Amino acid sequence: DAGITQSPRHKVTETGTPVTLRCHQTENHRYMYWYRQDPGHGLRLIHYSYGVKDTDKGEVSDGYSVSRSKTEDFLLTLESATSSQTSVYFCAISETSGGPRGNTQYFGPGTRLTVL
Amino acid sequence: AQSVTQLDSHVSVSEGTPVLLRCNYSSSYSPSLFWYVQHPNKGLQLLLKYTSAATLVKGINGFEAEFKKSETSFHLTKPSAHMSDAAEYFCVVSDGSSNTGKLIFGQGTTLQVKP
Repeated sequence: DAGITQSPRHKVTETGTPVTLRCHQTENHRYMYWYRQDPGHGLRLIHYSYGVKDTDKGEVSDGYSVSRSKTEDFLLTLESATSSQTSVYFCAISETSGGPRGNTQYFGPGTRLTVL
Repeated sequence: AQSVTQLDSHVSVSEGTPVLLRCNYSSSYSPSLFWYVQHPNKGLQLLLKYTSAATLVKGINGFEAEFKKSETSFHLTKPSAHMSDAAEYFCVVSDGSSNTGKLIFGQGTTLQVKP
């Protein structure tokens, strides 16, 4: 298994509070991604990073921000959590962005976030 | 734009019978295609991937998929289902329009295996 950890694994918080989720990798992969998983929607990309301090928005980025100050860590922050952000959040890493080997992504175990 | 459609949200089979999970894709580029599996309360695990080499791709746990460009399909099959195959399966296409490695996920197919 790829060396990817997420913390915390479970969190319950209240509406309006800030929340930070952490993704840590030991593979030295350049690309990192944050997804959310909701029933009937598969996985949707929130933000991604293509290098240290290089990040960009995905399809559902509103209400989220990210930071990547080191290759191994990618943080996802909910500035003011809302009930609509209750979800399971997955981090993924990839060595490449495409090419002959394809951009295979490897996933962390997930964080279950509940916003009351 | 790239997209992927999983034609069945739920598939039920008996143990020992064949499995077929259907996936159609749309891509303006030569796509990379993947199947991932997610067991309950677990992360996603790569089953197999197609990256423009052989059109018949073999994966883990006896699964395979065939890339058919003329039909824009990438269906997942297994000759004989096991109880442990019960999980959710995602068909995924790479977003070849950018050099960001982004993936686009289907909505998932839940596979139920009956004894």
